Amino acid sequence: NAGVTQTPKFQVLKTGQSMTLQCAQDMNHNSMYWYRQDPGMGLRLIYYSASEGTTDKGEVPNGYNVSRLNKREFSLRLESAAPSQTSVYFCASSPHRDGSYGYTFGSGTRLTVV
Amino acid sequence: EDQVTQSPEALRLQEGESSSLNCSYTVSGLRGLFWYRQDPGKGPEFLFTLYSAGEEKEKERLKATLTKKESFLHITAPKPEDSATYLCAVQADGSGNTGKLIFGQGTTLQVKP
Repeated sequence: NAGVTQTPKFQVLKTGQSMTLQCAQDMNHNSMYWYRQDPGMGLRLIYYSASEGTTDKGEVPNGYNVSRLNKREFSLRLESAAPSQTSVYFCASSPHRDGSYGYTFGSGTRLTVV
Repeated sequence: EDQVTQSPEALRLQEGESSSLNCSYTVSGLRGLFWYRQDPGKGPEFLFTLYSAGEEKEKERLKATLTKKESFLHITAPKPEDSATYLCAVQADGSGNTGKLIFGQGTTLQVKP
């Protein structure tokens, strides 16, 4: 089925470890986003890529880096994981820069940092 | 500061009992307001986009409306399968041409048979 695929679905890290969350979409969308979702905080934007070849910081970028590998793939890297990064991470894509058609979200990665 | 507030945080309804969810927003200029549905353990699913005050959109038992300060998601004669968390988000003029959305905290709806 067409959509946004995130891997892995679950991950446990020790403080200080690094990892990369993978995201790929097969809808030929231009824009891609990484959000984190925490109880009581809603979805908060970490980084986004309005088009292939560009990336920009969102609301909570500290401790993260991203790579827009090509039009399909947008990865999120935690260089040195901290317990505060325990969260559910969602990748999303949109066909238009203005987001007017809404996002398509992946199913999420549940990350626990101990 | 652009902000989105949803109320109530949680809502319990009996099957067939109609109600409304509220989304209040404060933005410098509204480019669009979005409603999403999120089931437990899954990513949000797009429902509606509203662009201007007075606009309404419907999908099955759901109807979304928009004023200059808030949006309502009306649920008519809900069924247990409507149980989910409903998220509201806005795109502000200050977001430029990036598609960035600001999300509210969500309203968790439980519909009992």
